[in-house]
Amino acid sequence: AQTVTQSQPEMSVQEAETVTLSCTYDTSESDYYLFWYKQPPSRQMILVIRQEAYKQQNATENRFSVNFQKAAKSFSLKISDSQLGDAAMYFCAYTNRASGTYKYIFGTGTRLKVLA
Amino acid sequence: EPEVTQTPSHQVTQMGQEVILRCVPISNHLYFYWYRQILGQKVEFLVSFYNNEISEKSEIFDDQFSVERPDGSNFTLKIRSTKLEDSAMYFCASRASTDTQYFGPGTRLTVL
Repeated sequence: AQTVTQSQPEMSVQEAETVTLSCTYDTSESDYYLFWYKQPPSRQMILVIRQEAYKQQNATENRFSVNFQKAAKSFSLKISDSQLGDAAMYFCAYTNRASGTYKYIFGTGTRLKVLA
Repeated sequence: EPEVTQTPSHQVTQMGQEVILRCVPISNHLYFYWYRQILGQKVEFLVSFYNNEISEKSEIFDDQFSVERPDGSNFTLKIRSTKLEDSAMYFCASRASTDTQYFGPGTRLTVL
């Protein structure tokens, strides 16, 4: 069975600094997708970044980038130049083509605090 | 930008009562999902729905649960006889043909 693990329940970062959120996963599939979602308080989960497993190049979206280590089954999120608006719950999620339905498997989340 | 919406934002009910949670997916999406998150636990998949039928359901999704797309816009989750352990945040999601899902803000269900 596939699993997703986020080992950091909470992280803090100073405004303008860089922070890395960790995510590991376990799967025997080869065709899968990984995501980071951000959930601000009382708001919906918003897609931050998406990685296709067959792409070796790490995905980037402005200040957000991932370090995708396929062999190690690791998918960490780096936030550069942290802003107060980055404070939120961050979820790592996995899905794969073989499921047919592309249902997501989530980690437990990491709460990010940004300190002014 | 189109968003998934959910109503109500918070529902309080007595044990044994029926509840219906409502979702309006993004209009051109074809695949719909419900997830739940019990406080302090992982977000868990409940059910996926496509072409007016359930395409996959989890072990959690027992006979007490049902889903429906009663018209062209709404997607509902019904819990027939709520239990205390059904208290959770329920998220609706939808997607088009790609793998990326778009989530609603959730409904917090409290069963007393």
